[in-house]
Amino acid sequence: AQSVTQLGSHVSVSEGALVLLRCNYSSSVPPYLFWYVQYPNQGLQLLLKYTSAATLVKGINGFEAEFKKSETSFHLTKPSAHMSDAAEYFCAVSDRDYKLSFGAGTTVTVRA
Amino acid sequence: NAGVTQTPKFQVLKTGQSMTLQCAQDMNHNSMYWYRQDPGMGLRLIYYSASEGTTDKGEVPNGYNVSRLNKREFSLRLESAAPSQTSVYFCASRVDGSINQPQHFGDGTRLSIL
Repeated sequence: AQSVTQLGSHVSVSEGALVLLRCNYSSSVPPYLFWYVQYPNQGLQLLLKYTSAATLVKGINGFEAEFKKSETSFHLTKPSAHMSDAAEYFCAVSDRDYKLSFGAGTTVTVRA
Repeated sequence: NAGVTQTPKFQVLKTGQSMTLQCAQDMNHNSMYWYRQDPGMGLRLIYYSASEGTTDKGEVPNGYNVSRLNKREFSLRLESAAPSQTSVYFCASRVDGSINQPQHFGDGTRLSIL
């Protein structure tokens, strides 16, 4: 079974600082990986997905993630945090039955 | 486009009451899913339906039933609600095709059971 571990349930960053959210997966090759964002009282929105075409994946709102097979990681970054980035972020892996397994989530707080 | 629509948005039940959560999608997707979200646990799959007329159990199916009424609609029923089922419930749908096609989520139903 696939599984995902997100390190750190809460991350606090200053506005303009780097955002780094960690995700490690346990999956058969190839992994099918996603990052979703959830704003308060809303559903999940897709930030980006790993397609195997490139190890560095660019998503919406300036986020990107790097797939590292040797580290079984798919960490999410954004060079400069904005107040609007305050949300909960979920890493997820899909199995061959198209079911998603989610990490526990990381809540990002942005300080002015 | 409405995408995935869930009703109701909020509901309070008493222990033992029954309830059906409704979900409809207008994207012509074959696959639909029900998740529950609890603090510190991410989203956990309750049931899913790969196509009209088929349903399968997910990770946490106990206490729930589902109906895939047609291609658009996928409902979740709590026959005898328990406080442990207090949660936020999300419905999602997905287009067929490659495995890395993403799921699209509704805004959730916030359910409290007293």
